[in-house]
Amino acid sequence: DADVTQTPRNRITKTGKRIMLECSQTKGHDRMYWYRQDPGLGLRLIYYSFDVKDINKGEISDGYSVSRQAQAKFSLSLESAIPNQTALYFCATSDFRGRSNTGELFFGEGSRLTVL
Amino acid sequence: GDSVTQMEGPVTLSEEAFLTINCTYTATGYPSLFWYVQYPGEGLQLLLKATKADDKGSNKGFEATYRKETTSFHLEKGSVQVSDSAVYFCALVKNTGNQFYFGTGTSLTVIP
Repeated sequence: DADVTQTPRNRITKTGKRIMLECSQTKGHDRMYWYRQDPGLGLRLIYYSFDVKDINKGEISDGYSVSRQAQAKFSLSLESAIPNQTALYFCATSDFRGRSNTGELFFGEGSRLTVL
Repeated sequence: GDSVTQMEGPVTLSEEAFLTINCTYTATGYPSLFWYVQYPGEGLQLLLKATKADDKGSNKGFEATYRKETTSFHLEKGSVQVSDSAVYFCALVKNTGNQFYFGTGTSLTVIP
């Protein structure tokens, strides 16, 4: 089983619908991130969380919200989806406080969202 | 602000050709530098990293050297294989670990 699991892997929805993308991790990492990938733009940070009580906006947080339900779970919501939110979304984790801190991000396999 | 600039693709090479993907960065202090690889249909995974100046990261025949004087971290491989076809991302993180900065990615296709 993957250490960082995203659901759903693919989703097609309509403009105005509320969408939630979920991420869970079994790595025991304290930090979790949501990124968006668009062709030619690379990865852009939406939100990040350093622990359950610490949520921070990234460079493109407008139109998105997040919830860190537990150390292992970090969900991304689109309250009212619009077509330019069509993209590939990645969840990632890192271990900043643990002994194994390598400064490395560990990614899920991605959630492809299409907004019609 | 901090940023990473990498060469645009796509890059197409024949098998066994030499690969260079350029990456330069802008950052204050002493960031750690990374190359991530994304195979088709998968998430990103760490390819190699370097945490201080003059360090050389290496993995799977790929190498990159942290050059502070030129603020560069170019990725090289002496002989590419078809299985190296992927998108490659250069990235940096400050030692505070607050945020990663990614380049836009370079798509590599290796043909037999």
